[in-house]
Amino acid sequence: EIVLTQSPATLSLSPGERATLSCRASQSVRSYLAWYQQKPGQAPRLLIYDASNRATGIPARFSGSGSGTDFTLTISSLEPEDFAVYYCQQRGSWPPYTFGQGTKLEIK
Amino acid sequence: EVQLVESGGNLVQPGGSLRLSCAASGFSFTTYWMNWVRQAPGKGLEWVANIQHDGGEKNYVDSVKGRFTISRDNAKNSLYLQMNSLRAEDTAVYYCAKGSIAAAGIFDYWGQGTLVTVSS
Repeated sequence: EIVLTQSPATLSLSPGERATLSCRASQSVRSYLAWYQQKPGQAPRLLIYDASNRATGIPARFSGSGSGTDFTLTISSLEPEDFAVYYCQQRGSWPPYTFGQGTKLEIK
Repeated sequence: EVQLVESGGNLVQPGGSLRLSCAASGFSFTTYWMNWVRQAPGKGLEWVANIQHDGGEKNYVDSVKGRFTISRDNAKNSLYLQMNSLRAEDTAVYYCAKGSIAAAGIFDYWGQGTLVTVSS
């Protein structure tokens, strides 16, 4: 089973700042990595798939990069609605699909 | 508009059974893989099971193998999860998630979830 490790666990930033979230896989997942956003009391929402492809309706301030074992989600300029928990998820080797433990992006 | 609506969550005793349902609308249900993903209170996401568009292939996370069964009724646009021999560690919100057209393992739409609590 592939283990995904996200860092940092919590990221404290202000609106307008740039956010950089990391996800590291225990073995290569090629480019088969997705990012999801989850707000309290809500279901997760797909942001990025296959490392760098924005899902339908996702603003351009969200971007993803990486391949193999190291991936990054970047939010270029934080909006108030971006403060949430972010999860990475791999489909490079399954079953099972696995998720990272999450990064909480909080307002500083 | 894609909609996924889960139901069937409840309080159940350890060792008990429960059947979850997910009603799908707004897309061609028969075309897509479907998934169950769960989230224990205050914890992260865990993929539980998936099923091929025609029900021909099913996959499970090891922790539920032999206890949970995923199924679908394409005539009713519905997905199910039969959960037997429930344990305290199965307590979670269970989400129904649609696989994308690009790949089964990209979850592009999610329901709002249904809460399963396993406790005596």
